[in-house]
Amino acid sequence: EIVLTQSPGTLSLSPGERATLSCRASQSVSSSYLAWYQQKPGQAPRLLIYGASSRATGIPDRFSGSGSGTDFTLTISRLEPEDFAVYYCQQYGSSPHFGPGTKVDIK
Amino acid sequence: QVQLVQSGAEVKKPGASVKVSCKASGYTFTSYGISWVRQAPGQGLEWMGWISAYNGNTNYAQKLQGRVTMTTDTSTSTAYMELRSLRSDDTAVYYCARDLEGYCSGGSCYSSWFDPWGQGTLVTVSS
Repeated sequence: EIVLTQSPGTLSLSPGERATLSCRASQSVSSSYLAWYQQKPGQAPRLLIYGASSRATGIPDRFSGSGSGTDFTLTISRLEPEDFAVYYCQQYGSSPHFGPGTKVDIK
Repeated sequence: QVQLVQSGAEVKKPGASVKVSCKASGYTFTSYGISWVRQAPGQGLEWMGWISAYNGNTNYAQKLQGRVTMTTDTSTSTAYMELRSLRSDDTAVYYCARDLEGYCSGGSCYSSWFDPWGQGTLVTVSS
């Protein structure tokens, strides 16, 4: 079973700043089978990135994903007010798992 | 637009069963699978399992094997998730989500990424 660790647990930033979120896997994630989701309070998660670096339909280009193997990164180039939320990484395959999440809050 | 609409909130007693529905629209239902994910209050996301809307093949999370059953009704484009022998720690919001590239091969099934998600169904287990 692949265990995902996300860091930091909370990221306190101001609008306009760059956010860098990390997702580390306990073993290599095959074929970059990694996705990122955004969740706001009281809402369902929303897909941002799949295949480690492909943006989902309608996702602004300030969101980007990178990485391979065991280390993956979600970058938000310039935080907009609507970007303050919790972000989850997910590895997919025969037994999908999610990371514990990173909360991005307003400094 | 692609949309998944789930059934309403449920309150159940320990030991009971719950069945949550997820009605799809805006796409060909049998072209994709459906995954179910739950989220306990204040907690993270837990994948529960996947079903192919094409042929009904399933892949359940090991910890839920024997307690969960996922089915589909292609005539109404609706997926169902039934969880039995409910416990207090099953209290959660349950989400269905379209699974974009899930498939089965060689006797094993695989899930992919999820988009979109249903609005969620709160299931409360309490005596």
